[in-house]
Amino acid sequence: EPEVTQTPSHQVTQMGQEVILRCVPISNHLYFYWYRQILGQKVEFLVSFYNNEISEKSEIFDDQFSVERPDGSNFTLKIRSTKLEDSAMYFCASSNRDHSYNEQFFGPGTRLTVL
Amino acid sequence: AQSVAQPEDQVNVAEGNPLTVKCTYSVSGNPYLFWYVQYPNRGLQFLLKYITGDNLVKGSYGFEAEFNKSQTSFHLKKPSALVSDSALYFCAVSDFSGGYNKLIFGAGTRLAVHP
Repeated sequence: EPEVTQTPSHQVTQMGQEVILRCVPISNHLYFYWYRQILGQKVEFLVSFYNNEISEKSEIFDDQFSVERPDGSNFTLKIRSTKLEDSAMYFCASSNRDHSYNEQFFGPGTRLTVL
Repeated sequence: AQSVAQPEDQVNVAEGNPLTVKCTYSVSGNPYLFWYVQYPNRGLQFLLKYITGDNLVKGSYGFEAEFNKSQTSFHLKKPSALVSDSALYFCAVSDFSGGYNKLIFGAGTRLAVHP
């Protein structure tokens, strides 16, 4: 069964450093998403991406964040200058359609720890 | 704005007993509701969804959910709990208000099934 994969599983970085979180969505999916979950809190939407551009982004997704689909398979989330409050689990998701009734398929997550 | 609430942080059930994990929703328009499960060190796995039609929705691993429009609820149920069902369960609703789909999650309920 196809699944979303994410690397690394755990990333530790110093405050102010840049990090890139990588995701490989399900191969025939066209819609991609990033969510995050701060420890003990809700899973929150960050950004959606389709046709090589951002479809929608939340207030959390400020200028420090960017997303890219550098090739036909990877989907990346970059944080330019990490802050302590960026420490969270980051989930990538993909979907074959963008209708309200379509489920999204999630990867296992990358735990980001900013020191 | 779309939202879901999970009133219980934790639900404890004895193995073999029925389980219920509660979710209530607040939406404008038609509700598209989802349940996801998160096992330790794993991503969010899709369990089931309600779009329209029959109020009782069946999903993976023997789970089902009952949509109740008058009570604005979408409770997750299973007739006979297994120890392996112990996990974190998230209710979610689709939000298409920005023109693209995103999921709005509840805070999650930890299910503990005891032998």
